[in-house]
Amino acid sequence: GAVVSQHPSRVICKSGTSVKIECRSLDFQATTMFWYRQFPKQSLMLMATSNEGSKATYEQGVEKDKFLINHASLTLSTLTVTSAHPEDSSFYICSATDRAYTGELFFGEGSRLTVL
Amino acid sequence: EDQVTQSPEALRLQEGESSSLNCSYTVSGLRGLFWYRQDPGKGPEFLFTLYSAGEEKEKERLKATLTKKESFLHITAPKPEDSATYLCAVQAKPNAGGTSYGKLTFGQGTILTVHP
Repeated sequence: GAVVSQHPSRVICKSGTSVKIECRSLDFQATTMFWYRQFPKQSLMLMATSNEGSKATYEQGVEKDKFLINHASLTLSTLTVTSAHPEDSSFYICSATDRAYTGELFFGEGSRLTVL
Repeated sequence: EDQVTQSPEALRLQEGESSSLNCSYTVSGLRGLFWYRQDPGKGPEFLFTLYSAGEEKEKERLKATLTKKESFLHITAPKPEDSATYLCAVQAKPNAGGTSYGKLTFGQGTILTVHP
């Protein structure tokens, strides 16, 4: 199946700093990418949907100024957590789909953010 | 609002003891129902997509079925390596003129533990 890669897999930062997480589609063109957040022992909650070349669509309750999403190319989307605080500590996962939309949605390996 | 409820929350089986996981859903027009496997600290791994009631799909010891209200993931003669969290998600048909392909609503997952 198609491969979606996330980087970094783990990041620890100090409160008040910004952290960028990358999501890449390695063998297909991802016209749409999705960013999810997962707290321990909970399910995935969609944060935002990004289409290549346009502004991201955020789910209700997600602060667009805190979670900046950029989808500048068909293979790369980035999530920047700005002025991170301990409550932003979580597991962030991206998924991607291609133009053909085969029905399979591929997920990255996830990025564990810990804010001290 | 789309909703997905999975049961049981946790399931402990002996190796070889077959069982089923349930996923009940409500959605405004189902485009697809997805099953994923998630290991600790990893992103979800795609298993199946089901599109219409009566559809069945199999992969090794797993078989997924779909009705108009729920889906079952049957595990036949499980092995310890089948231990994981199994996630169910639904995707609604996009609104008229919408481009919401790919957005998934997840259930909370079933934590499966298979003892040798």
